[in-house]
Amino acid sequence: ERVMTQSPATLSVSPGERATLSCRASQTVNSNLAWYQQKPGQAPRLLIYGASTRATGIPARFSGSGSGTEFTLTISSLQSEDFAVYYCQQYNNWPRTFGQGTKVEIK
Amino acid sequence: QAQLLESGGGVVQPGRSLGLSCAASGFTFISYAMHWVRQAPGKGLEWVTFISYDGTNRYYADSVKGRFTISRDNSENTVFLQMNSLKAEDTAVYYCARRIAVGGIDVFDIWGQGTMVTVSS
Repeated sequence: ERVMTQSPATLSVSPGERATLSCRASQTVNSNLAWYQQKPGQAPRLLIYGASTRATGIPARFSGSGSGTEFTLTISSLQSEDFAVYYCQQYNNWPRTFGQGTKVEIK
Repeated sequence: QAQLLESGGGVVQPGRSLGLSCAASGFTFISYAMHWVRQAPGKGLEWVTFISYDGTNRYYADSVKGRFTISRDNSENTVFLQMNSLKAEDTAVYYCARRIAVGGIDVFDIWGQGTMVTVSS
């Protein structure tokens, strides 16, 4: 099983600043990596797939990079609606696995 | 627009069974593979199971293998999750999710609102 490890667990950022979230896979997942955003009481929302492709309707301030075992989600200028929990997910192997999440909170 | 609506959650005793349904609308259901993903209270996301568009391929997390069964009825635009021998650790919000319609990409682009399953005596 591919274990996905996200860091940091919590990221405190001021509105307008850049946020950088990391995701590491225990073994290579090539570019088969997605990012989701989840707000309290809501279902997750797909942001990025293929490590760097934005899903339909996702603003350009969200960008993804990386391949193999190291991945990054960058939010270039945090808006109020971006404070949420972010999860990475690999789909290179079964079972599909998620990271434990990074909470982005207001500083 | 594309929507998924789960139902069937509730409180159940350990060792008992429960069945969940997920009704799809707003898209051609038969063209899409489907997943169930769960989230224990205050915890992260855990993938549970997958079924291909035609039901011929299914995968399960080790934590539910042998106890849960995924199925679908394409004539009714519905995917099901039959959960047997339930344990306290199965307590979670259960989401059904649609696999994106991009070749070779197994990510979840549409999610239901979730249904809560509580396993407790």
